[in-house]
Amino acid sequence: EAGVAQSPRYKIIEKRQSVAFWCNPISGHATLYWYQQILGQGPKLLIQFQNNGVVDDSQLPKDRFSAERLKGVDSTLKIQPAKLEDSAVYLCASSLARGIGEQFFGPGTRLTVL
Amino acid sequence: AQSVTQLDSQVPVFEEAPVELRCNYSSSVSVYLFWYVQYPNQGLQLLLKYLSGSTLVKGINGFEAEFNKSQTSFHLRKPSVHISDTAEYFCAVTPTGNQFYFGTGTSLTVIP
Repeated sequence: EAGVAQSPRYKIIEKRQSVAFWCNPISGHATLYWYQQILGQGPKLLIQFQNNGVVDDSQLPKDRFSAERLKGVDSTLKIQPAKLEDSAVYLCASSLARGIGEQFFGPGTRLTVL
Repeated sequence: AQSVTQLDSQVPVFEEAPVELRCNYSSSVSVYLFWYVQYPNQGLQLLLKYLSGSTLVKGINGFEAEFNKSQTSFHLRKPSVHISDTAEYFCAVTPTGNQFYFGTGTSLTVIP
């Protein structure tokens, strides 16, 4: 079975620019997560979707970050405008359903903000 | 609130030696516990998880972990490591299965 796909793998932008990341979860997985992993830290949940609805976005900086999952499948995460402190790896994960099932992670997008 | 502490940021160990990666957590409620491994330039992969039942959990690649409720620990062990075990290891907890809290990770380096 195909894993979680993410693109691009790497992105370099200047501060105040905008950037978008794309995630395609494993087919049939209803739950999708976006994590931010800053160098030297563990992943931090930004937002969780159940199908196309938001379950938890309490740690998403909503003044600059947005995410959508319009058809309950693919998802995009956008940063506008980017700040230096947004430099991190952005991980997408999916699971079959909410709860304590296994999350399957994509390879991540490494963002560098100059 | 939940938090996870991985005290050892880097652990070097010789090939075929045993290893223990430490994980302690704090929580006011019962939690489920996980260990993930991250190989270079790859996403996280589940090693093992504790949901309930036996406190000794066996995972993939010969790893095991023991849940100790009184010490709020979930240490990861392997009796004999291989070069291919070189990676970053993350401990995570969740009280509900929705919000996962990850530790800062332990970099395991296996020395030939």
